[in-house]
Amino acid sequence: AQSVTQLGSHVSVSEGALVLLRCNYSSSVPPYLFWYVQYPNQGLQLLLKYTSAATLVKGINGFEAEFKKSETSFHLTKPSAHMSDAAEYFCAVSEGTGANNLFFGTGTRLTVIP
Amino acid sequence: ETGVTQTPRHLVMGMTNKKSLKCEQHLGHNAMYWYKQSAKKPLELMFVYNFKEQTENNSVPSRFSPECPNSSHLFLHLHTLQPEDSALYLCASSQETLGAYEQYFGPGTRLTVT
Repeated sequence: AQSVTQLGSHVSVSEGALVLLRCNYSSSVPPYLFWYVQYPNQGLQLLLKYTSAATLVKGINGFEAEFKKSETSFHLTKPSAHMSDAAEYFCAVSEGTGANNLFFGTGTRLTVIP
Repeated sequence: ETGVTQTPRHLVMGMTNKKSLKCEQHLGHNAMYWYKQSAKKPLELMFVYNFKEQTENNSVPSRFSPECPNSSHLFLHLHTLQPEDSALYLCASSQETLGAYEQYFGPGTRLTVT
């Protein structure tokens, strides 16, 4: 069975500081992993995805994530937070089977302090 | 703009009303989904359609009735809803192929049941 755990429902960082959002997954097969961002009153937008190629994945808006199999983690980072990064972030896992299902974490709300 | 549109963006309805949510994708995908997003809860997958055939129905109450007339359109018909059905309803689409396939989300319909 697949599942995702996002540690910390709220994270606050200062503008210009490192952003680190944590995601741990559970999967019985090599997973596909995704990070989505949701701005207020909007749908989810794909930030980046891991598909068993390079373990360090670069996404949009300066975000990147590293797949660590030994730690079953896929943490999201950005070297320098910007005010526009304030949003909710969701980690998701898929085992690539039929029905295209994604399993989402509960989300982490990022606040950026000026 | 993700290529997935939803109408209406906001809907207020009484418990005895009948209304429908509409989703349209312009991406040429063959799988479409309905999700429910409630405050402080993970995204809940409600329905999945692959090639217009419903493949998932995650124990959703019968007051929610999906319809997928073709691979580009998806509806969610609502009747005799309860106040706890108030939520953001998100539509998504993807291409059903082997391997990793991200879902593309619409902006959602904010539903309030009074």
